[in-house]
Amino acid sequence: AQTVTQSQPEMSVQEAETVTLSCTYDTSESNYYLFWYKQPPSRQMILVIRQEAYKQQNATENRFSVNFQKAAKSFSLKISDSQLGDTAMYFCAFMKGFGNEKLTFGTGTRLTIIP
Amino acid sequence: DVKVTQSSRYLVKRTGEKVFLECVQDMDHENMFWYRQDPGLGLRLIYFSYDVKMKEKGDIPEGYSVSREKKERFSLILESASTNQTSMYLCASSPWDSQNEKLFFGSGTQLSVL
Repeated sequence: AQTVTQSQPEMSVQEAETVTLSCTYDTSESNYYLFWYKQPPSRQMILVIRQEAYKQQNATENRFSVNFQKAAKSFSLKISDSQLGDTAMYFCAFMKGFGNEKLTFGTGTRLTIIP
Repeated sequence: DVKVTQSSRYLVKRTGEKVFLECVQDMDHENMFWYRQDPGLGLRLIYFSYDVKMKEKGDIPEGYSVSREKKERFSLILESASTNQTSMYLCASSPWDSQNEKLFFGSGTQLSVL
């Protein structure tokens, strides 16, 4: 079974600074996807970024980027120029294979952006 | 935009009651999921369905059942609610060919069992 570990329950950072959220996972699969989801106070889960394990290039979406270290099974999320609207719970998630597989989520990191 | 609607944002029930949590999606998605979210535990999959009248157990199905009589609606049923089922319940859907990359979530139902 796959496991996803987020070791930082809470983090805070000043507005406009850069913050990195950590995520590690454990799997014996060679083909898989990794995701970061954001859950703001509205409770609506939103996909932030995704990474295919077979791609060496780190995914980037505007101010959000990942550092994917496949050998170390690490998948951290970097938020640059943080904004007040980035305040949310962030969940790392894993999905094996290429078919209709379920997602396994980490325990989440509560990020607060301080004005 | 895809919309996943959960019928209640907050719900308070008594121990032993039968509880129905309803979820409706408007984008003709084949896949639907029920998760519960607890502090320090993240999201855990309860049940999922890839088609009408089809259901599969997730990681924590005990104490729950589901119903999918129509493609757009996926109901979670607590046969006899207990206090340890107090939690946030999240419904999600995705199209068959998305490989579950494109999960769309509802806004959650915070259930309190007293």
